[in-house]
Amino acid sequence: EIVLTQSPTTMAASPGEKVTLTCRASSSVSYMHWYQQRSGASPKLWIYETSKLASGVPNRFSGSGSGTSYSLTINSMETEDAATYYCQQGSSYPDTFGAGTKLELK
Amino acid sequence: EVQLVESGGGLVQPGRSLKLSCAASGFTFSNYGMAWVRQAPTKGLEWVATISYDGSSTYYRDSVKGRFTISRDNAKSTLYLQMDSLRSEDTATYYCARPIITMMVLITGGYWGQGVMVTVSS
Repeated sequence: EIVLTQSPTTMAASPGEKVTLTCRASSSVSYMHWYQQRSGASPKLWIYETSKLASGVPNRFSGSGSGTSYSLTINSMETEDAATYYCQQGSSYPDTFGAGTKLELK
Repeated sequence: EVQLVESGGGLVQPGRSLKLSCAASGFTFSNYGMAWVRQAPTKGLEWVATISYDGSSTYYRDSVKGRFTISRDNAKSTLYLQMDSLRSEDTATYYCARPIITMMVLITGGYWGQGVMVTVSS
């Protein structure tokens, strides 16, 4: 199975700061998807097919990457962005998730 | 609006069984494959099982094969997860998930329920 490694594990950002989260796959995948999970809530699909924003996601978010290296970027951190972000691949059975990056507000 | 509502969780002893349900609404349930995804306390997400739209095909992660059974009742728009021979490592919040399907891919976690907690402990 494909292992997804996310970094950093935890980070803190100030309002207005640019944030980049990374996800590396143990083998090449066609696409990467990202989920946001706020504390005590269910995950929400956030970015799909590497770079497409799910409905309602602010355009300060973007996704990029290919092969084994993917990233999620927040152009300008806002309070509501504090959450854990998970990457997920479905290119190879079984679906696998990264361990998550916890993004906190500084 | 897509709604997924899980039920059936609770505290159960190791080796015992539990059956989870997920009531779906807001979409044509019989058109979609469905999945269960779990999250152990303070841990990440882990795919558990998937069932095809008509129930004819099922898929499981290795650690639950032979112990868990995913099924569905399209007439009731309900997804199930029968969990037998439960172990402490099965302790988690279990989420029901509906995919979204684009021109290119199927994404397992398009919509999620609120989750139901299963605790396996003596």
